[in-house]
Amino acid sequence: SQTIHQWPATLVQPVGSPLSLECTVEGTSNPNLYWYRQAAGRGLQLLFYSVGIGQISSEVPQNLSASRPQDRQFILSSKKLLLSDSGFYLCAWSADQGQPQHFGDGTRLSIL
Amino acid sequence: QKEVEQDPGPLSVPEGAIVSLNCTYSNSAFQYFMWYRQYSRKGPELLMYTYSSGNKEDGRFTAQVDKSSKYISLFIRDSQPSDSATYLCAMSAVLSTGGTSYGKLTFGQGTILTVHP
Repeated sequence: SQTIHQWPATLVQPVGSPLSLECTVEGTSNPNLYWYRQAAGRGLQLLFYSVGIGQISSEVPQNLSASRPQDRQFILSSKKLLLSDSGFYLCAWSADQGQPQHFGDGTRLSIL
Repeated sequence: QKEVEQDPGPLSVPEGAIVSLNCTYSNSAFQYFMWYRQYSRKGPELLMYTYSSGNKEDGRFTAQVDKSSKYISLFIRDSQPSDSATYLCAMSAVLSTGGTSYGKLTFGQGTILTVHP
């Protein structure tokens, strides 16, 4: 069966520091991968999606970037965190375009 | 008008009650219709999905889609305290940008459900 792992679960970072969140998927090949941010009391906002290695697309302009160095690895990064980057970050995968997405347990990021 | 509308609740019911959660949508291009359950401080868990109008049942859960009315529902029978969570409806469509196609999920705002003993 397929599983998705995200780490760390919780992260507290100072403003201006770099960020690297990692997501890996097991049990499937060539998944579509996604990064979302969920702010308190608000819905999920799609940040990045990837349909293959090295193929990254962004939904909204922001302080963050994403990379997919391997088929089942998706990384969310920032060179300098802002206070507004605080939130709950979720990674998800789907078998194909338009099919249901499966989420990891998320990383709760607090910026001080 | 939002593409997907969901009553945020909160909804509080006694144990054993039947719960009805609903979403309406406006985009006819949506292909898959999903319900997610999200516990506090966890990621959304896919409960059920369907791509056609009609009912789909899984244990105590029934998902209903009416494409003609652009309306979906989730029914929970014999609700339990462990069902207390936020329930999110979501719908997917395939979009194309710059030669790349991807599946985009559009979520409702989520309904907070509490089932008390």
